[in-house]
Amino acid sequence: DTEVTQTPKHLVMGMTNKKSLKCEQHMGHRAMYWYKQKAKKPPELMFVYSYEKLSINESVPSRFSPECPNSSLLNLHLHALQPEDSALYLCASSHDRGMLETQYFGPGTRLLVL
Amino acid sequence: ILNVEQSPQSLHVQEGDSTNFTCSFPSSNFYALHWYRWETAKSPEALFVMTLNGDEKKKGRISATLNTKEGYSYLYIKGSQPEDSATYLCASPERAGTALIFGKGTTLSVSS
Repeated sequence: DTEVTQTPKHLVMGMTNKKSLKCEQHMGHRAMYWYKQKAKKPPELMFVYSYEKLSINESVPSRFSPECPNSSLLNLHLHALQPEDSALYLCASSHDRGMLETQYFGPGTRLLVL
Repeated sequence: ILNVEQSPQSLHVQEGDSTNFTCSFPSSNFYALHWYRWETAKSPEALFVMTLNGDEKKKGRISATLNTKEGYSYLYIKGSQPEDSATYLCASPERAGTALIFGKGTTLSVSS
């Protein structure tokens, strides 16, 4: 199984809502990533987990809260988001965190904040 | 922050045409270069990881070259097919042990 799955595919939420994005992989990968991608821009790294520990947080606002409950799952908890947070949120995983490691991406969750 | 540039931003070719596009990156402190292919409504898919100057990698009709001294990589598609229509992203780590910085991508459209 070489698939990274993400749920939901689409999400519409108000600025006062709390929601979560989920990502799952069963490839035994020990590194997992959250990216944010806005239209016509490249994917921007938000967080990296390595061996279930947060290893990179790219100065992301605290209204985004990542969680890695186990080596196969990665969540992104959302609270009090702003309309400018509307974007495609991509999850990826790799065998390890090395710079030569191929990242396997999920299809993304398209988020709209009203 | 590492600046990874891709050109052209978009490209339209006819079926059967061969095409190429460019990824540019700072030649100093180079670590690795990744190419990904991203079809609409699908997940980005890894094509190549390249590290050595002069390296050339091939996957079917797609190939890539790397020049680390001058800071660029070319992606070539031979005999383009409509199914090659996608956005092609390149990415490079800013420092050893850090995650990838992506370019904005080149969007290829192939007409039959």
